[in-house]
Amino acid sequence: DTAVSQTPKYLVTQMGNDKSIKCEQNLGHDTMYWYKQDSKKFLKIMFSYNNKELIINETVPNRFSPKSPDKAHLNLHINSLELGDSAVYFCASSPRDEKLFFGSGTQLSVL
Amino acid sequence: SQQGEEDPQALSIQEGENATMNCSYKTSINNLQWYRQNSGRGLVHLILIRSNEREKHSGRLRVTLDTSKKSSSLLITASRAADTASYFCATEKLTGNQFYFGTGTSLTVIP
Repeated sequence: DTAVSQTPKYLVTQMGNDKSIKCEQNLGHDTMYWYKQDSKKFLKIMFSYNNKELIINETVPNRFSPKSPDKAHLNLHINSLELGDSAVYFCASSPRDEKLFFGSGTQLSVL
Repeated sequence: SQQGEEDPQALSIQEGENATMNCSYKTSINNLQWYRQNSGRGLVHLILIRSNEREKHSGRLRVTLDTSKKSSSLLITASRAADTASYFCATEKLTGNQFYFGTGTSLTVIP
């Protein structure tokens, strides 16, 4: 069983569209994250949720809206996609003060 | 910014040699972690060292932490071709549950 699973793995879309990426963890962790990895492999934290409550929102455009229906799920919705949004998006989860468990990533390509 | 920096950006060695990569960061931390990322995959946790520890070992991995210099090093001994990957350090802020990644070291081990 995959511990942190995110879908879709690949997402190709046109500028201006709205898209969502889903993430689920079956590890019972309280905290979930979204990270963005650019073409230079720089990994930047976007959001952190603890027990469905937003903890971190790191200077991310408000076109990005995370939604956590329960502590096992953290979805990422992106409105009005731009070319610069093209990247790999990783979901992760962790127990407090411990290591991160990552999903396998969603490669987003905006054309 | 909390972001760390790894050095070198890229490292190429022969199989059997040791690989050393360094990480520097800017603010006080709870712990520092090292992760590995194979091409096209998510990050996998390797080792965690807490702020009150100076050295830690796990198999062929040795990590050191110098909080006075705000730096860490990861040593991989007797490298193998399968160690080829990108390696990232991540620091957790004192407030907890906020992990910031460095820029990564791309390691190539030549068989």
